Amino acid sequence: GESVGLHLPTLSVQEGDNSIINCAYSNSASDYFIWYKQESGKGPQFIIDIRSNMDKRQGQRVTVLLNKTVKHLSLQIAATQPGDSAVYFCAEPSFLSGGSYIPTFGRGTSLIVHP
Amino acid sequence: DVKVTQSSRYLVKRTGEKVFLECVQDMDHENMFWYRQDPGLGLRLIYFSYDVKMKEKGDIPEGYSVSREKKERFSLILESASTNQTSMYLCASREKGLAADTQYFGPGTRLTVL
Repeated sequence: GESVGLHLPTLSVQEGDNSIINCAYSNSASDYFIWYKQESGKGPQFIIDIRSNMDKRQGQRVTVLLNKTVKHLSLQIAATQPGDSAVYFCAEPSFLSGGSYIPTFGRGTSLIVHP
Repeated sequence: DVKVTQSSRYLVKRTGEKVFLECVQDMDHENMFWYRQDPGLGLRLIYFSYDVKMKEKGDIPEGYSVSREKKERFSLILESASTNQTSMYLCASREKGLAADTQYFGPGTRLTVL
């Protein structure tokens, strides 16, 4: 999961297994969260989002779970494939005056999928 | 599809040089961002811009400035490059400042300062 240390947390899985990537957020008032995927040599790409009025949201092979009690997010990837190898970031909003927000990113988790 | 392009994928500069990193988006987005990404530290916001000629400091603006003369272009400037500015620089844009607006990222510029 996300770490306060300088080393990127790494999750290694076998192809076909399910992956769970964790993220702790800091602001209990945050009401919107996003997961991004960053493949090697590319910028981050949006995967899935969830609002705080939901506990779970499903996409294609991905599910995000939100536990507001402990301020924890998880991203679950079903039947992990080699193409899922990437760094995954969670982001929560830091709100500015006027209703705008700036996303604050976690440090990321590196997912390595072994064939 | 939204496209965010950055002028260079790789740059090598010398200490003290003035460096320009250019970013262009083609979707008429109001907001644009510059981040730097370092191993284990995630993405840290340097500057962002709400609209043309408007800019706001992010978390780590020291040593950087920005320019947004046209809506589609957001430039990051290192007035006098230093070795601690060696990093991956990512540009992003989004339509407005709403919570549900997705950021779209460019491919990044890996800058090395010798």
